[in-house]
Amino acid sequence: SSELTQDPAVSVALGQTVRITCQGDSLRGYYASWYQQKPGQAPVLVIYGKNNRPSGIPDRFSGSSSGNTASLTITGAQAEDEADYYCNSREVFGGGTKLTVL
Amino acid sequence: QVQLQESGPGLVKPSETLSLTCTVSGGSISSYYWSWIRQPPGKGLEWIGYIYYSGSTNYNPSLKSRVTISVDTSKTQFSLKLSSVTTADTAVYYCAREERQYYYDGRGFMFDLWGRGTLVTVSS
Repeated sequence: SSELTQDPAVSVALGQTVRITCQGDSLRGYYASWYQQKPGQAPVLVIYGKNNRPSGIPDRFSGSSSGNTASLTITGAQAEDEADYYCNSREVFGGGTKLTVL
Repeated sequence: QVQLQESGPGLVKPSETLSLTCTVSGGSISSYYWSWIRQPPGKGLEWIGYIYYSGSTNYNPSLKSRVTISVDTSKTQFSLKLSSVTTADTAVYYCAREERQYYYDGRGFMFDLWGRGTLVTVSS
């Protein structure tokens, strides 16, 4: 299957750590990329490859992968991290996870 | 810095062809893959297809029969045509640059630059 599965919604208390996961066969042999999208805005790349962050992305964002599962971790979540997060591998997008910061 | 900008009609009639252009400014169109991605209102992202600067293409199997992506390197533009549109094609359409990295233990593809997106509504 070329699908990538994400939990539709996740919540985290302000300042706590949250992990968003992405699962699918498209991840075998490929590193996921992760995108943050806020309402009315284009997606922004936050993690790619072997846990790399583009310039300007805070170091509280990190990524990992194992087999057919990739994870995005936010350590010390901030209010501005509330957004939709999408994983991608080989031009296949996950369904997205809505992150709520409480 | 490199910027992407989508342009084209915001309203298309059912059964007609949707046409959009992405202009790449501030940099070269060479040596990258250039993609179109869409997002229906309130829904997730869907990759439509890409074109390499040399002209080779790859399309989402679910849209392949209706999609054509072309590139004009002299104008640093690439374009999308989606034929026989229906209301299900109503979406924000993004153009994006795809970069690929190769590691000893795998590959990583990423969309590192995006346009702001343009809403295309299919309606009579």
